[in-house]
Amino acid sequence: RKEVEQDPGPFNVPEGATVAFNCTYSNSASQSFFWYRQDCRKEPKLLMSVYSSGNEDGRFTAQLNRASQYISLLIRDSKLSDSATYLCVPDQGGKLIFGQGTELSVKP
Amino acid sequence: GAVVSQHPSRVICKSGTSVKIECRSLDFQATTMFWYRQFPKKSLMLMATSNEGSKATYEQGVEKDKFLINHASLTLSTLTVTSAHPEDSSFYICSAIREGKGSYNEQFFGPGTRLTVL
Repeated sequence: RKEVEQDPGPFNVPEGATVAFNCTYSNSASQSFFWYRQDCRKEPKLLMSVYSSGNEDGRFTAQLNRASQYISLLIRDSKLSDSATYLCVPDQGGKLIFGQGTELSVKP
Repeated sequence: GAVVSQHPSRVICKSGTSVKIECRSLDFQATTMFWYRQFPKKSLMLMATSNEGSKATYEQGVEKDKFLINHASLTLSTLTVTSAHPEDSSFYICSAIREGKGSYNEQFFGPGTRLTVL
């Protein structure tokens, strides 16, 4: 089983759509969780940290279910600039374990 | 936010040569840096943890004699790909940990180095 599994993608959505990404992780010892976005041929950039109670940052909402070892990211009112690959990243003792990512393409 | 630089951003070399990549934390000190590699359409794979003043810790399957890491100062780690071969062509990304308050230490990523070995 992979350490981090994400929706395979790509997701092609129109502007204004709501899109949700799912992620599961295998190591129950992970304590911190993050969503990163990565643009083509660029380094990953932190989008948001995921807190156990769930958290929201503008159009982005992250949820964590430790019992199910499941993390989600919801993007509302998609913008063209949201087009990127979204990476689910648990932290294991200070090491970030990256998922393969889910590609999002927002179309006009 | 904190800034991490990498140099060079792109390098093309002949098979058999060695290539050195530098990773610098520009506005903070980093006792720990990480080196990742990413092949096209694949996830970032952690290669090694670079510890200032001590030996790097390599992930399983990463040859320490091929990927030499030196972390001689609190703001600089270098990765040297020795005797590079075409299969070493990849996107190499470093990150540096900025220690924060409490237990939360944020990682900041460099812009990456694209290595092409002919």
